[in-house]
Amino acid sequence: GQNIDQPTEMTATEGAIVQINCTYQTSGFNGLFWYQQHAGEAPTFLSYNVLDGLEEKGRFSSFLSRSKGYSYLLLKELQMKDSASYLCAVLDSNYQLIWGAGTKLIIKP
Amino acid sequence: GAVVSQHPSWVICKSGTSVKIECRSLDFQATTMFWYRQFPKQSLMLMATSNEGSKATYEQGVEKDKFLINHASLTLSTLTVTSAHPEDSSFYICSARGPAGDYNEQFFGPGTRLTVL
Repeated sequence: GQNIDQPTEMTATEGAIVQINCTYQTSGFNGLFWYQQHAGEAPTFLSYNVLDGLEEKGRFSSFLSRSKGYSYLLLKELQMKDSASYLCAVLDSNYQLIWGAGTKLIIKP
Repeated sequence: GAVVSQHPSWVICKSGTSVKIECRSLDFQATTMFWYRQFPKQSLMLMATSNEGSKATYEQGVEKDKFLINHASLTLSTLTVTSAHPEDSSFYICSARGPAGDYNEQFFGPGTRLTVL
């Protein structure tokens, strides 16, 4: 079956750095997405990786290793507004998005 | 980026009534739209994939006679929850596959919160 694993919850301090991991086992791979979702709102796109390596976009970076079935989202200089759920999703061979359960990130002052 | 709207944003209805939710792609044509449901503190659950001009493809466990999907045009898909019951109360989110580009991003609508009394 298809499976995406990410931690349920993480806590970090304002101004610090946090890494959210995601491992996946899917039928085929056409890219991995990270989305941010605030409570009561729809997800918003953060990043897309289809090749191995690190993609940097401002305070957020995303890394992919296809051979390991592994990705991480790195958030730097954390701000209180970064408190949200972070969803990892993989596009499988049918171009269907397979979603992880999400990681709730709590930022403390 | 591409914009997707949903209407209504929230709805409260009595048990047994039907509720229609609209999903529109505002500045692009979406041949494929997706309907998700999300219960509190849970991840998105894909309900169905909707292709313009054809029948929707439902995920296992989703009743197609209860959740009617119509994708009549390249910019509009509707989800009708028929004979809604309290257990159907949830956050319903649509997304549309964006215009051809570097990758197959899905653009999400703002969601519709349904409460069935």
